[in-house]
Amino acid sequence: GAVVSQHPSRVICKSGTSVKIECRSLDFQATTMFWYRQFPKQSLMLMATSNEGSKATYEQGVEKDKFLINHASLTLSTLTVTSAHPEDSSFYICSARPPTGLQETQYFGPGTRLLVL
Amino acid sequence: QKEVEQDPGPLSVPEGAIVSLNCTYSNSAFQYFMWYRQYSRKGPELLMYTYSSGNKEDGRFTAQVDKSSKYISLFIRDSQPSDSATYLCAMRVGSNYQLIWGAGTKLIIKP
Repeated sequence: GAVVSQHPSRVICKSGTSVKIECRSLDFQATTMFWYRQFPKQSLMLMATSNEGSKATYEQGVEKDKFLINHASLTLSTLTVTSAHPEDSSFYICSARPPTGLQETQYFGPGTRLLVL
Repeated sequence: QKEVEQDPGPLSVPEGAIVSLNCTYSNSAFQYFMWYRQYSRKGPELLMYTYSSGNKEDGRFTAQVDKSSKYISLFIRDSQPSDSATYLCAMRVGSNYQLIWGAGTKLIIKP
């Protein structure tokens, strides 16, 4: 149990375009999902916490208008990188918090590698 | 000072050795302690989940939590080349599901 998927696994886009990344909990309903960014050889950096049906809570320094998060259902959260630039190139990972009954921690998707040219 | 300290390594050991990975922390309010394994270009995978102090064993893996010393450990017995990965410790307080992460230790098991 507690499987999380992400799509796409990798994406290459031109500077100025927008990219949408989907995060799905496949076998459980997730009231809370998290979005992380990870640079090479570094640990995970939390970008935002996404609660179903409400606005996401962004960490300090993360631009809300740049990284749009939509958690429209209990199994799907999306991250849209708007007007992407080369400095947005990174590894983006989502995680989901399962309901009680499973170990109460975060379960992660496989990540999405974004390269902005 | 970071809330969670973890040596980034790399730690290189021969196949079959016992591996010891550690984290120290400063916040005595942490109650839940996790170890995740992350292979290159993949998302983290939960290995061990521990509440409060004590030991927990799962196959070749043993997690230890010493809250008095604010120190957690992950032991891997009979290490295999497939165990080569980055191991991240994470912890949280009881009421908040946000995780505080260590830097991750890169482990290399040499055949």
